[in-house]
Amino acid sequence: KAGVTQTPRYLIKTRGQQVTLSCSPISGHRSVSWYQQTPGQGLQFLFEYFSETQRNKGNFPGRFSGRQFSNSRSEMNVSTLELGDSALYLCASSIRPQMATNEKLFFGSGTQLSVL
Amino acid sequence: AQSVTQLGSHVSVSEGALVLLRCNYSSSVPPYLFWYVQYPNQGLQLLLKYTTGATLVKGINGFEAEFKKSETSFHLTKPSAHMSDAAEYFCAVSLSGGSNYKLTFGKGTLLTVNP
Repeated sequence: KAGVTQTPRYLIKTRGQQVTLSCSPISGHRSVSWYQQTPGQGLQFLFEYFSETQRNKGNFPGRFSGRQFSNSRSEMNVSTLELGDSALYLCASSIRPQMATNEKLFFGSGTQLSVL
Repeated sequence: AQSVTQLGSHVSVSEGALVLLRCNYSSSVPPYLFWYVQYPNQGLQLLLKYTTGATLVKGINGFEAEFKKSETSFHLTKPSAHMSDAAEYFCAVSLSGGSNYKLTFGKGTLLTVNP
């Protein structure tokens, strides 16, 4: 069974641009969560989607948004990029929503975003 | 609010030595506790988790952790380190139940294993 797939693996953008990251969960998994990982702040929760609905959201500005499609694939968008958005963005999938069951999360390898 | 503190951002041990990675949590309600491992250029992988029941939890790759409520700790141990254990380890806490679930991670401990 294929794992969680994130594309692209690396991205370089400039300030003010926008970016879209993609995540394909494990087959059969309907929940997708996004995390931002930086050396200073560690792992911070962005949001979780289940059945195309956002179920939970972290403390990030509105420039960070996401969506989930009917096949459970998810995209994350960051508009008006800032230097501080440089980070590894990790996607994790699970069969059921985290909030209901504390499901085990399966993580992708991440997208490394550099903002210049 | 829940939080996790990992003591020591970097731990170095010799191959064959005991591994001890420390994690303390803060939660107003009984927590669920997790340890995840991240190998270079990879995502996180679950090592073990505590939900309810037995306080000593065994995970993959010979790791185990003990939930100590009185000390609000969930330290990760392994009797004998292998070179392949070199990675970054993250402790995480979540509330048991509740409508505003959020898995909160510590800032990680980088484990180095010396030959």
